[in-house]
Amino acid sequence: AQSVTQLGSHVSVSEGALVLLRCNYSSSVPPYLFWYVQYPNQGLQLLLKYTTGATLVKGINGFEAEFKKSETSFHLTKPSAHMSDAAEYFCAVSETGGFKTIFGAGTRLFVKA
Amino acid sequence: DTEVTQTPKHLVMGMTNKKSLKCEQHMGHRAMYWYKQKAKKPPELMFVYSYEKLSINESVPSRFSPECPNSSLLNLHLHALQPEDSALYLCASSQEGLAGDTQYFGPGTRLTVL
Repeated sequence: AQSVTQLGSHVSVSEGALVLLRCNYSSSVPPYLFWYVQYPNQGLQLLLKYTTGATLVKGINGFEAEFKKSETSFHLTKPSAHMSDAAEYFCAVSETGGFKTIFGAGTRLFVKA
Repeated sequence: DTEVTQTPKHLVMGMTNKKSLKCEQHMGHRAMYWYKQKAKKPPELMFVYSYEKLSINESVPSRFSPECPNSSLLNLHLHALQPEDSALYLCASSQEGLAGDTQYFGPGTRLTVL
């Protein structure tokens, strides 16, 4: 079965610093990978997704992620954090052939002024 | 329009009440989902409808009863809930429900069971 592991339940960065949120997946077949963001008391919003093709995926709000098959990783980065980036971030993998999306446990990003 | 709407925003109910949650999308999506999310946890899949037919039921207790009256609408009927059912209930939709489809989430209904 496919799964995702997010390293670090909390990450704290200063405003303007690099954001790096880690995600590793397990899958025996090429996966479909997603990063979603959830602001307090809101639903989830897609930041970016990897299906096939280019391994560097650009998303909204300046975020990007790189699919590394050799490391089974899909880490999320942003060069310069903004206060508005403070939220919960979920990495997810889509189950091939099915309807299920498997979410990681989530990483709460704190941004300090 | 990439919006999924959910009503009500908040719901407080007793353990003997019957209530319903409603979800609507007008993106022409053919797959719709119900998720339950407890505080500080990821969403947990409850049900998936594909082309208005129930495709997945993740062993959800029968006190939760989903309904998909048409391709735009999804309901979740609630009856005899327990306090541990208090959570954020999220609805989502996607194009076909295929792997790789983006799911579009509504803002959720915050449910409190007394």
